[in-house]
Amino acid sequence: QQQVKQSPQSLIVQKGGISIINCAYENTAFDYFPWYQQFPGKGPALLIAIRPDVSEKKEGRFTISFNKSAKQFSLHIMDSQPGDSATYFCAASMYPGGYNKLIFGAGTRLAVHP
Amino acid sequence: SAVISQKPSRDICQRGTSLTIQCQVDSQVTMMFWYRQQPGQSLTLIATANQGSEATYESGFVIDKFPISRPNLTFSTLTVSNMSPEDSSIYLCSVEIRGREETQYFGPGTRLLVL
Repeated sequence: QQQVKQSPQSLIVQKGGISIINCAYENTAFDYFPWYQQFPGKGPALLIAIRPDVSEKKEGRFTISFNKSAKQFSLHIMDSQPGDSATYFCAASMYPGGYNKLIFGAGTRLAVHP
Repeated sequence: SAVISQKPSRDICQRGTSLTIQCQVDSQVTMMFWYRQQPGQSLTLIATANQGSEATYESGFVIDKFPISRPNLTFSTLTVSNMSPEDSSIYLCSVEIRGREETQYFGPGTRLLVL
């Protein structure tokens, strides 16, 4: 019940295209949904995040769409660039007491071809 | 956000030995966390380190194998004890910042190879 399922495992997109990564969760106790971007040899970096009372959040070329009833959320990268090539992790946060616990999806390896 | 550093950045160790990884933050933070990321895999929480109390370990991780210290609000250590090749992984610390407790910020990671 604490799982976060992420798809696809890998994604190849042409430069200028739209990259779409999907995540689904079961536990309705989750109340915060961040996306992290990780480049090889680096730690994950917070990209964008959303709360379940909002259906969409946009920051530059990155948009999160959130469907509370379906318990699904997705990351859209508009005008994808080769510099966006990285691994993307969705996550869901819950508060079991004392701290916020992050549960990560399996990750999506994105390659943007020029 | 916060600037987080980890030492060492990478190491190669012999089986049966132990390695202590340090995590230093440039500002006082509420919670610190330690994760393991096996090659090509996702992040798995090892334990949560709260200053002044014992760490809280996730299922499958025990204090004897992964002792953690948190002596103050800006520093924590994770020791990987009696290492085996299965411990080869990236170890990451993350922090929660006061006022933004829902978000975790990650350090650069320590890449460990056990021979």
